[in-house]
Amino acid sequence: NAGVTQTPKFRILKIGQSMTLQCAQDMNHNYMYWYRQDPGMGLKLIYYSVGAGITDKGEVPNGYNVSRSTTEDFPLRLELAAPSQTSVYFCASSYMTGQGEKLFFGSGTQLSVL
Amino acid sequence: GENVEQHPSTLSVQEGDSAVIKCTYSDSASNYFPWYKQELGKGPQLIIDIRSNVGEKKDQRIAVTLNKTAKHFSLHITETQPEDSAVYFCAAFGLSGAGSYQLTFGKGTKLSVIP
Repeated sequence: NAGVTQTPKFRILKIGQSMTLQCAQDMNHNYMYWYRQDPGMGLKLIYYSVGAGITDKGEVPNGYNVSRSTTEDFPLRLELAAPSQTSVYFCASSYMTGQGEKLFFGSGTQLSVL
Repeated sequence: GENVEQHPSTLSVQEGDSAVIKCTYSDSASNYFPWYKQELGKGPQLIIDIRSNVGEKKDQRIAVTLNKTAKHFSLHITETQPEDSAVYFCAAFGLSGAGSYQLTFGKGTKLSVIP
């Protein structure tokens, strides 16, 4: 059982370049999330999805886009990369327990924009 | 939206001692409080959680307490071991700054257990 798989693990981009961070889960979870983690700042929600075809903005969505064509996949697209997008990105999935969410995280993608 | 404050940001303890990490939250309607452990180079992993209708929960060496009146909750690790060294995040499930019901995370505590 692979859980949540993220690719790539590391990437260096030049300012203005674009890329897609891949995320796949094999737990049949409806909910999927993208977070960014900056040093000393915790986890900030970028986008989330409650099911295939449905996405919504989180706390820090500017500069990013997502799509959810299948239950398994939730790619994050960076257009016109900026140094402020240098961060570690985590994808997560969850099943609702009725009173909160148990998140399962991938191992992260470390992105540097230079 | 919900705001979660976590203290301390760093904590060093001797092996075998106890460690306590504290969090406060702002939204009295928040009803679910998980704790995540993040080891170096890995994603966060859920270690324990508590719901608003419970005051305390234990799982072997870790425990979480919740004071709804004061809007704070704490993680307690007893008999610490070197493998407990990691970054710990608290979170609260409630109305987020984005206007939807989500987990809002604290900024994390880096715990170092000194052998």
